[in-house]
Amino acid sequence: DADVTQTPRNRITKTGKRIMLECSQTKGHDRMYWYRQDPGLGLRLIYYSFDVKDINKGEISDGYSVSRQAQAKFSLSLESAIPNQTALYFCATSSFEGLGYTFGSGTRLTVV
Amino acid sequence: DQQVKQNSPSLSVQEGRISILNCDYTNSMFDYFLWYKKYPAEGPTFLISISSIKDKNEDGRFTVFLNKSAKHLSLHIVPSQPGDSAVYFCAAEGGKLIFGQGTELSVKP
Repeated sequence: DADVTQTPRNRITKTGKRIMLECSQTKGHDRMYWYRQDPGLGLRLIYYSFDVKDINKGEISDGYSVSRQAQAKFSLSLESAIPNQTALYFCATSSFEGLGYTFGSGTRLTVV
Repeated sequence: DQQVKQNSPSLSVQEGRISILNCDYTNSMFDYFLWYKKYPAEGPTFLISISSIKDKNEDGRFTVFLNKSAKHLSLHIVPSQPGDSAVYFCAAEGGKLIFGQGTELSVKP
């Protein structure tokens, strides 16, 4: 089993729909992150969480929300999807020191 | 404002030659710098890192150089192999990882 599992792997949704991307990890790490990848823009941080009771906005949090249900689970929601949220989304986890990020395989989201 | 920049979107190199990927940053408070490698349909994987107190770190065919005065780091791959073809991301650690835009390396046989 993968250390970081993201579901779904691919999703097509319509503008205005609510969608949730899920992430779970078996590394036992406290820190979890959501990034999105766009061509020419690299990986940009959406939200991050340093423990179950900690949620922080990243550089592009508008239009997104997150929930840290447990140490191992961190979900990302798009409350009302729009086409410019079409991207590849990655979840990651890291140890306390913040190094050694482990990424999931990504969710390819298309908003039509 | 982009704190970590990779100004070359792509690089093509012949097998056996050296690949040099470059990265610039703006924040002198970053503690660590890392390189990640990404294949299509996979998440990024850690390749090599360097502490801000060092100027060089080597791991097999991969060497990272850090020039703090110029706020510049580079990744050297010698010799380059076709399996090295991937997107390479530079990242800086300052509480959380901040990534550059990525450089797509193509190593031709």
